[in-house]
Amino acid sequence: EVKLVESGGDLVQPGGSLRLSCSASGFTFNTYSLHWVRQAPGKGLEYVSGISINGGRTYYADSVKDRFVISRDNSKNTLYLQMSSLRADDTALYYCVKDRGGYGGWDSWGQGTQVTVSS
Amino acid sequence: DIQMTQSPSTLSASVGDRVTITCRASQSLSTWLAWYQQKPGKAPQLLIFKASSLESGVPSRFSGSGSGTEFTLTISSLQPDDFATYYCQQYNTYPSTFGQGTKLEI
Repeated sequence: EVKLVESGGDLVQPGGSLRLSCSASGFTFNTYSLHWVRQAPGKGLEYVSGISINGGRTYYADSVKDRFVISRDNSKNTLYLQMSSLRADDTALYYCVKDRGGYGGWDSWGQGTQVTVSS
Repeated sequence: DIQMTQSPSTLSASVGDRVTITCRASQSLSTWLAWYQQKPGKAPQLLIFKASSLESGVPSRFSGSGSGTEFTLTISSLQPDDFATYYCQQYNTYPSTFGQGTKLEI
């Protein structure tokens, strides 16, 4: 069974930093691309960032470019999102998501970790 | 970035109804489009990938169609468990983008 468990969410002041982690199990971690998607309270889904199998390619939404950095450690089956210069509009539930590969679609989602940016 | 526009934003329906949700893209996606269902307090669940391929374990009353810039998700006969919010997503070009969602309610 595929399992994605996010951690690291917290209450942080504007301008602060946070690192999210996603621990994965139940699949061959180093053969799938992975992504972060967030959802602000009462709002829709927003793509945040993605990373290829070996980390050689990374993708970012314009809203987080130059502030967030995605990375992965295939030896630890863990995905990361380093977040800096946090703003109030970064407040959201952050999901770790597995790409199904092949013809695409994202087939496994974690339960999310809450990030709240407030003074 | 590619913009995704879903319609309607809210859809009222009854058990047994056939419903259709539309998703339009600001540029051609070929068939690189997925549909997700999300229930309150839960993570989204993949229903359809590559515009019309049914994800394993998803009931056959769900179907997807379309290509290019216009896509539809159809539920052939609504069941009580289907009342949820539905999102389309393009993965033709990164950054990937989602539609704003369609809330299906009784």
